Amino acid sequence: NAGVTQTPKFQVLKTGQSMTLQCAQDMNHNSMYWYRQDPGMGLRLIYYSASEGTTDKGEVPNGYNVSRLNKREFSLRLESAAPSQTSVYFCASSEWEAYEQYFGPGTRLTVT
Amino acid sequence: AQSVTQLDSQVPVFEEAPVELRCNYSSSVSVYLFWYVQYPNQGLQLLLKYLSGSTLVKGINGFEAEFNKSQTSFHLRKPSVHISDTAEYFCALGGTSYGKLTFGQGTILTVHP
Repeated sequence: NAGVTQTPKFQVLKTGQSMTLQCAQDMNHNSMYWYRQDPGMGLRLIYYSASEGTTDKGEVPNGYNVSRLNKREFSLRLESAAPSQTSVYFCASSEWEAYEQYFGPGTRLTVT
Repeated sequence: AQSVTQLDSQVPVFEEAPVELRCNYSSSVSVYLFWYVQYPNQGLQLLLKYLSGSTLVKGINGFEAEFNKSQTSFHLRKPSVHISDTAEYFCALGGTSYGKLTFGQGTILTVHP
């Protein structure tokens, strides 16, 4: 099993460009999550999907959109990138309520 | 609302010394607690978890943590650290809907020879 996979690993964007970060899991988990990690701030939840067909905002959703394409895949889209979105983005998945989350390797995004 | 505070942003320690990384939490609902480790340029890996039962939980790589409800703490300990334990450690709190976690700010553990 690959677990949680993310593409791409690295990306450099210019301000105003758009891009989609891809995430897939092969553990048949119901819930999936997108976080951003910034120095000294831990991980902050951007969006989550409790199950296929549902998505909800997390702590820092502004400037992002998500799509739960099917049970395996959960994508994060930046419509018009800004330098403040320079960060490391992690996707995670879990089974229902209170279980641990499994993380992907991350995408390092730089917006210039 | 839930919150997690990791009391030390950086902890330097010598190899083979004991270490404690401190975590306090605040929650008005059921509490589930986790410690994750992040090695440089990698994702997060679960070290240990407290869901219920015994308040002393053991994890991988010789780490353990104690859940203290009266002190609202979940400190991580290891009796003897190795160079390979150098990493960033995150405390996380669950218990709200759909498995959402609230993370602390992280503690960078640096083990010196």
